[in-house]
Amino acid sequence: GAVVSQHPSWVICKSGTSVKIECRSLDFQATTMFWYRQFPKQSLMLMATSNEGSKATYEQGVEKDKFLINHASLTLSTLTVTSAHPEDSSFYICSAVDAANYEQYFGPGTRLTVT
Amino acid sequence: AQSVSQHNHHVILSEAASLELGCNYSYGGTVNLFWYVQYPGQHLQLLLKYFSGDPLVKGIKGFEAEFIKSKFSFNLRKPSVQWSDTAEYFCAVNAGFSGGYNKLIFGAGTRLAVHP
Repeated sequence: GAVVSQHPSWVICKSGTSVKIECRSLDFQATTMFWYRQFPKQSLMLMATSNEGSKATYEQGVEKDKFLINHASLTLSTLTVTSAHPEDSSFYICSAVDAANYEQYFGPGTRLTVT
Repeated sequence: AQSVSQHNHHVILSEAASLELGCNYSYGGTVNLFWYVQYPGQHLQLLLKYFSGDPLVKGIKGFEAEFIKSKFSFNLRKPSVQWSDTAEYFCAVNAGFSGGYNKLIFGAGTRLAVHP
């Protein structure tokens, strides 16, 4: 079946540094990927839509200059958390839409801890 | 604004018990509805979805859900749970389209624990 991977699965960084998270569709092409954020014991919150070859579309209240999204190819989207602060600590999950069948597949998530 | 509420945050059942997890949504337009499952340490997987047609939807692993438009509900059911159903379950509704695909709004999730 379709597999979406995320790297890294867990990262700790110091306040003020930037962290890049990768989302890859391993066996299908994804022109669209979504980035979500999940706080403990809460639901997934959609942050932005990543479209291959174009600018990402951000949801209301999400700072586009802080959460940089790049969808460089049909199998890779990256989320960079710039100048991270402790309040950015969260679980970040991506999903990729298979262009062949419109199914949305989720990655395993990346846990970010900012100290 | 659209929202999804899942009433049960934690459910504990014994094997062979019946399961029903509640999901209500608030969205005035045409809805697409989904249930996802997340097993411990694994990624979200689609259990079933409703787009149109028969409001009783059957999914994988013996799960089903019924769309009741008048109640804005999409409850998940399984007649007899197994220990392997221990997981977190998320209800989701489409929040419109972006790039031609569903943007999803998720409920808070229900953590199900099944005891042997």
